[in-house]
Amino acid sequence: DGGITQSPKYLFRKEGQNVTLSCEQNLNHDAMYWYRQDPGQGLRLIYYSQIVNDFQKGDIAEGYSVSREKKESFPLTVTSAQKNPTAFYLCASSPGGWATNYGYTFGSGTRLTVV
Amino acid sequence: DAKTTQPPSMDCAEGRAANLPCNHSTISGNEYVYWYRQIHSQGPQYIIHGLKNNETNEMASLIITEDRKSSTLILPHATLRDTAVYYCIVSNTDKLIFGTGTRLQVFP
Repeated sequence: DGGITQSPKYLFRKEGQNVTLSCEQNLNHDAMYWYRQDPGQGLRLIYYSQIVNDFQKGDIAEGYSVSREKKESFPLTVTSAQKNPTAFYLCASSPGGWATNYGYTFGSGTRLTVV
Repeated sequence: DAKTTQPPSMDCAEGRAANLPCNHSTISGNEYVYWYRQIHSQGPQYIIHGLKNNETNEMASLIITEDRKSSTLILPHATLRDTAVYYCIVSNTDKLIFGTGTRLQVFP
């Protein structure tokens, strides 16, 4: 079955450590996105990529970095510069082009806790 | 992208229609209205979208006012599994900006 996989589901890290969240899709989607969600809040866009080897900052990119070396993969690194990294992180992909905004498929998320 | 305003929460009896309103008074002519929902601790799921005509699919109906400044998502026969946060988004770009949505609670 096609889908989008985020791993791990739960992640614990010590303050000051960088951590990388994995996102892989086998839907042949061109576009991929990372969102952050805090308790009781909506989703906030961190980074997005419309094509391999290119990505753009979203609304809250500070303290995060991404890469898009393969179409299937869009890992997110939470660096030590991110002041409040504890959150629920969601990855999504979409076909791109005219079908972009209604074709979003989301992963099941990674819950990151920094202690 | 235009911003939207939704009530923070709503209740609906199981089997009844759930009507979720959304105001988007600053919507521009080429912006679509999208609805997604998020069941607790899962990723959001696409429901429906429209530009100016009313739309219906197997999940829901979308009613957009003639001036396009507001819309209503209708779940015709709500079930307990429809309990979720519903997001109304307007966009004409290649990304979606989610607000805080409406938390719909369906009760028996």
